[in-house]
Amino acid sequence: EAQVTQNPRYLITVTGKKLTVTCSQNMNHEYMSWYRQDPGLGLRQIYYSMNVEVTDKGDVPEGYKVSRKEKRNFPLILESPSPNQTSLYFCASSFERGYEQYFGPGTRLTVT
Amino acid sequence: EDQVTQSPEALRLQEGESSSLNCSYTVSGLRGLFWYRQDPGKGPEFLFTLYSAGEEKEKERLKATLTKKESFLHITAPKPEDSATYLCAVFNSNYQLIWGAGTKLIIKP
Repeated sequence: EAQVTQNPRYLITVTGKKLTVTCSQNMNHEYMSWYRQDPGLGLRQIYYSMNVEVTDKGDVPEGYKVSRKEKRNFPLILESPSPNQTSLYFCASSFERGYEQYFGPGTRLTVT
Repeated sequence: EDQVTQSPEALRLQEGESSSLNCSYTVSGLRGLFWYRQDPGKGPEFLFTLYSAGEEKEKERLKATLTKKESFLHITAPKPEDSATYLCAVFNSNYQLIWGAGTKLIIKP
């Protein structure tokens, strides 16, 4: 089954404790992306990757890091989380930039 | 500045009551317009891509249309399972994807 998986699905952590949210796709897609979704603000892109070892900032990259060492995986790293990073996070992939995206199930992060 | 505006913010309909959702856009060149459906707490699910004015696409009770300034998502005889938030996104000539805030659709039985 074609899918995008994210882990964990729910995470409660404390300010400053480094965390990683994993994302994996099995569709051999070139393009992958991370979004955060907050009430009233809609979907905002954090980082994206056009291909392996090629990543770039989206609209709200501050406080986040990513890497793309393998085509299928695109982890999101919060090195020192803060309460304003409490949000619902989605990973997505597509054949190329500009094509329809397939989204993961989401990771609900709470930073206290 | 490129922007995408969806209206209304929320829409309540009775089962079987047809209506339309609007996505208006001002962007620097349109490469494609996307419609997604999002259920609460889940990731958006792709519905349609439209590329040029006059284009139409259909899927079950949904039909998407596109003009030079806006897109409509028409829903015919909706059922309660059509309740969701519908998102519109525009891919512009600068290779940016601009998202609308969504329309929350509630279909009452």
